[in-house]
Amino acid sequence: QPVLTQSPSASASLGASVKLTCTLSSGPSSYAVAWHQQLPERGPRYLMHINSDGSHSKGDGIPDRFSGSSSGAERFLTISSLQSEDEADYYCQTWATGIVVFGGGTKLTVL
Amino acid sequence: QVQLVESGGGLVKPGGSLRLSCAASGFTFSDYYMTWIRQAPGKGLEWVSYITSSGSSVYYADSVQGRFTIYRDNAKSSLYLQMDSLRADDTAVYYCARRLAATYLDYWGQGTLVTVSS
Repeated sequence: QPVLTQSPSASASLGASVKLTCTLSSGPSSYAVAWHQQLPERGPRYLMHINSDGSHSKGDGIPDRFSGSSSGAERFLTISSLQSEDEADYYCQTWATGIVVFGGGTKLTVL
Repeated sequence: QVQLVESGGGLVKPGGSLRLSCAASGFTFSDYYMTWIRQAPGKGLEWVSYITSSGSSVYYADSVQGRFTIYRDNAKSSLYLQMDSLRADDTAVYYCARRLAATYLDYWGQGTLVTVSS
């Protein structure tokens, strides 16, 4: 079954860009991945899913500042023009028959 | 718009039972897989269970297999999670989420807190 690895933390300055990484292992590198944002004390929110070819599709109302890409077994979430409200936990998620898998999450701090 | 509203959480003693509900609206419930996910205090997201659109197939994480039962009532647009033999490590916020076929989760509820403690 797939395993997803994320860095526990990341930080970037207000107005800058940040690229979060989700690495697939223990399974084909062709898995698609979804990204979810969890603001403090809130439920998660779906951002987008990214296919192995880098094509991606965003959820309803997700700003253009959020984009996705892919390289090999890595799936990326890039947030540009960082705003204070982007400070949150970000989780990647994938799936296989009979299972849903989450990465450990990355806590993003906006400086 | 799509709405998922969980209910049924609360304080329960170890070994006890609880049933969670998730009321769905804003979409054709019977067209979608549904999923339960939980988050222990200060921890990450953990998949618990999912059910296919018709309810004919269900899947569970190893940590809850044999203790939890997922089911749905498509006529009522509702998802349920029957939790038996509860343990302290089941303490978490439980979220229901809509799943786009056998792929990603695209809408989440706000969660309901389950606390297992004597």
